[in-house]
Amino acid sequence: QVQLQESGPGLVTPSETLSLNCTVSGGSIISSIYDWGWIRQPPGKGLEWIGRIYYRGTTSYNPSLKSRVTISVDTSKNQFSLKLNSVTAADTAVYYCARQAPGTSSSYVDFWGQGTLVTVSS
Amino acid sequence: QSVLTQPPSVSAAPGQRITISCSGSSSNIGSNSVSWYQQLPGTAPKLLIYDTSERPSGIPDRFSGSKSGTSSTLDITGLQTGDEADYYCGTWDSSLSADVFGTGTKVTVL
Repeated sequence: QVQLQESGPGLVTPSETLSLNCTVSGGSIISSIYDWGWIRQPPGKGLEWIGRIYYRGTTSYNPSLKSRVTISVDTSKNQFSLKLNSVTAADTAVYYCARQAPGTSSSYVDFWGQGTLVTVSS
Repeated sequence: QSVLTQPPSVSAAPGQRITISCSGSSSNIGSNSVSWYQQLPGTAPKLLIYDTSERPSGIPDRFSGSKSGTSSTLDITGLQTGDEADYYCGTWDSSLSADVFGTGTKVTVL
């Protein structure tokens, strides 16, 4: 059973960079056919897809966040990471890492991390 | 703002059947498969339906999904108090080149 665990600071200063890691256990990122993604949920609001990465480095990003987002993978640690720069209060959310089905015509998230709340405040 | 529209809330008594709609367009639901997620209070979403109508292992057959044109539907039969949650649809949008989620529906069991 694949498990994902987010880690990183729970408080980020406005204009700074939000950085989160996701550690995958129960399976290897390299041996998987799946993509690895990030999804966020502002308090009391709906889900917003941030982006995804395949272990070889191919990425897709939400157009509304693309200019500020970088997703990378570290196969030696079985981890993937999220960096979101120039954050504002609007970036305050629970951030989930997730395993996504490969491709686009059939796109779904079958495993989710527990989520981590990141608050942007001075 | 989401490109997939869901009703904000649906309610029914235990044992009843409910339907949650997810309305999109030709660039998303109209041309790609749909997934559905259940989010219990304070927890991460859970996959209920993938590939429009398939259930992952362990999901009871009380939950079913379908699609017609640019809309998708999640049906829940034999409603239980444990079904009280937020439900989201999701798919790929070929025009945006992005995964998209619905606005979410809160289900209340009366």
